[in-house]
Amino acid sequence: AQSVSQHNHHVILSEAASLELGCNYSYGGTVNLFWYVQYPGQHLQLLLKYFSGDPLVKGIKGFEAEFIKSKFSFNLRKPSVQWSDTAEYFCAVNGRGFQKLVFGTGTRLLVSP
Amino acid sequence: DTAVSQTPKYLVTQMGNDKSIKCEQNLGHDTMYWYKQDSKKFLKIMFSYNNKELIINETVPNRFSPKSPDKAHLNLHINSLELGDSAVYFCASSQDRTSGRSTDTQYFGPGTRLTVL
Repeated sequence: AQSVSQHNHHVILSEAASLELGCNYSYGGTVNLFWYVQYPGQHLQLLLKYFSGDPLVKGIKGFEAEFIKSKFSFNLRKPSVQWSDTAEYFCAVNGRGFQKLVFGTGTRLLVSP
Repeated sequence: DTAVSQTPKYLVTQMGNDKSIKCEQNLGHDTMYWYKQDSKKFLKIMFSYNNKELIINETVPNRFSPKSPDKAHLNLHINSLELGDSAVYFCASSQDRTSGRSTDTQYFGPGTRLTVL
């Protein structure tokens, strides 16, 4: 069975600080990996995704994530956060051949101005 | 030009009532999903339909019954509502032309906040 763990439940940063959110998954086969963001009161939006190829994936709004297969990790990074990045961030995975998307428990990011 | 829309956005009801939430996508996708997000923000899949056929049915009480009249719509009907059903319900869709493909991104609707009193 697939599972996803996000170790940081709450992160508080000042504007311009660098961000790294951890995501580890458990699955024996090939996976697709996603990061979604949920701004306060809004629906989930896709930040970036990895299916194959270059393990360093660039997404919207300056976010990037690196797939490290040996560590079963897909950490999200941003070099300099803004107040508008305050949101809940979800890592998700599905195994190739399966449509079921399994989400992590989310990380709440608060960026103070 | 909303891609995935849900109605209603908010739903407040008494225990024991029956209610429905509607979802429509205008992306031409073949697969649609229902997710439940609890008070701790944990998201879990409930159902998935591919071209009107049920393909994922997680361990969900049979009080929840999805219905897909066509591939652009997936409605969720809930009988005998309980306090624990209070949550935000998200509909999503993805391209997936054939059942079993998994490389397509899922696009989410705005959510329906259900409160059971």
